[in-house]
Amino acid sequence: EAGVAQSPRYKIIEKRQSVAFWCNPISGHATLYWYQQILGQGPKLLIQFQNNGVVDDSQLPKDRFSAERLKGVDSTLKIQPAKLEDSAVYLCASSLGDRVYEQYFGPGTRLTVT
Amino acid sequence: SQQGEEDPQALSIQEGENATMNCSYKTSINNLQWYRQNSGRGLVHLILIRSNEREKHSGRLRVTLDTSKKSSSLLITASRAADTASYFCVKMGNFNKFYFGSGTKLNVKP
Repeated sequence: EAGVAQSPRYKIIEKRQSVAFWCNPISGHATLYWYQQILGQGPKLLIQFQNNGVVDDSQLPKDRFSAERLKGVDSTLKIQPAKLEDSAVYLCASSLGDRVYEQYFGPGTRLTVT
Repeated sequence: SQQGEEDPQALSIQEGENATMNCSYKTSINNLQWYRQNSGRGLVHLILIRSNEREKHSGRLRVTLDTSKKSSSLLITASRAADTASYFCVKMGNFNKFYFGSGTKLNVKP
């Protein structure tokens, strides 16, 4: 079974630039999550989708971050404009949903904002 | 905050010893999960314990949950160098919201 795919794996941008991350979840997984993990900390949930609807985006900085899940499958997370404090690893995860809560994580995208 | 604390922040033991990590939380949960993160395999789900369960086993892992104390513990028996990783407890609260703790960094010395 293929895992959660993410791209790119690494990205370096200057502050005020924009960046986008892509995630392809495990086939058949209804729930998709985006997390931000700052070095030395645990992941922080940014947004959670159930199919293509948003379940929770309470910790998403909506003035600069946006996310969408196309047709309930792939998802993109965008930052525009980026700030220095956005430097982190962005993790995508998916789960079956329907009361199955184990999450499968992708390898992450390491973002450095200079 | 729902997140609570993990304890200890770091733990260093010899191969073959047992490792115990603790996790506390502040508000009610539906279930609690433990995940491991290392550089080789990323974040991996280890075990889930529901709020009506008190103990669960999976191989060398034993998880306990005490809802009266709002705490959980993860025990790894007969640790191996490959167990070196950060371990996170993840609380699932109302509306299926997930909260990661800050993690315990385990170092198992060969």
